[in-house]
Amino acid sequence: AQRVTQPEKLLSVFKGAPVELKCNYSYSGSPELFWYVQYSRQRLQLLLRHISRESIKGFTADLNKGETSFHLKKPFAQEEDSAMYYCALISDNAGNMLTFGGGTRLMVKP
Amino acid sequence: DGGITQSPKYLFRKEGQNVTLSCEQNLNHDAMYWYRQDPGQGLRLIYYSQIVNDFQKGDIAEGYSVSREKKESFPLTVTSAQKNPTAFYLCASRGVGLEKLFFGSGTQLSVL
Repeated sequence: AQRVTQPEKLLSVFKGAPVELKCNYSYSGSPELFWYVQYSRQRLQLLLRHISRESIKGFTADLNKGETSFHLKKPFAQEEDSAMYYCALISDNAGNMLTFGGGTRLMVKP
Repeated sequence: DGGITQSPKYLFRKEGQNVTLSCEQNLNHDAMYWYRQDPGQGLRLIYYSQIVNDFQKGDIAEGYSVSREKKESFPLTVTSAQKNPTAFYLCASRGVGLEKLFFGSGTQLSVL
């Protein structure tokens, strides 16, 4: 069974500080990892996906298959980054079932 | 408005009553999903459907039922067997391959 774990429910940092939101996963087959974000009073939306190897809003995430991790990082946090972040996994061995982690609320203080 | 619509925005259920949450998409997506969002527990998958007339149980399917008679529609029924239905329900759809999910704006279900 596939599973996504986000160990921190709340992460609080000051503006300008580096931020790392942790995500660990277990799976069968070949996984695809995503980070979704939900800003206050907005819909859940895709932030980035590992196959794109992109940087969105200054965030990056590297898939570490050895450690089965997909941590989300940003070198300098901004107040507008405050939101709920979800790590998600889809595996070709689980049909198209997309599994989410429990989410981490990021609070960036001025 | 994102191409995926959930209604109603707020729904109240009486004890022993079944209620149905609507989810419609005009994105021509094959796959559709229902998630339940509880504070501190993130998103949990209830049911998902990859094609019309087919659906699979997710992690917390007990007390729920779905149908997929049309590609555009994936309604979720919260039955009286669901003892703790109060939650925020999110519907999502996805196109072919491993494309991103598009989410609806959600339905808040509460028990009277």
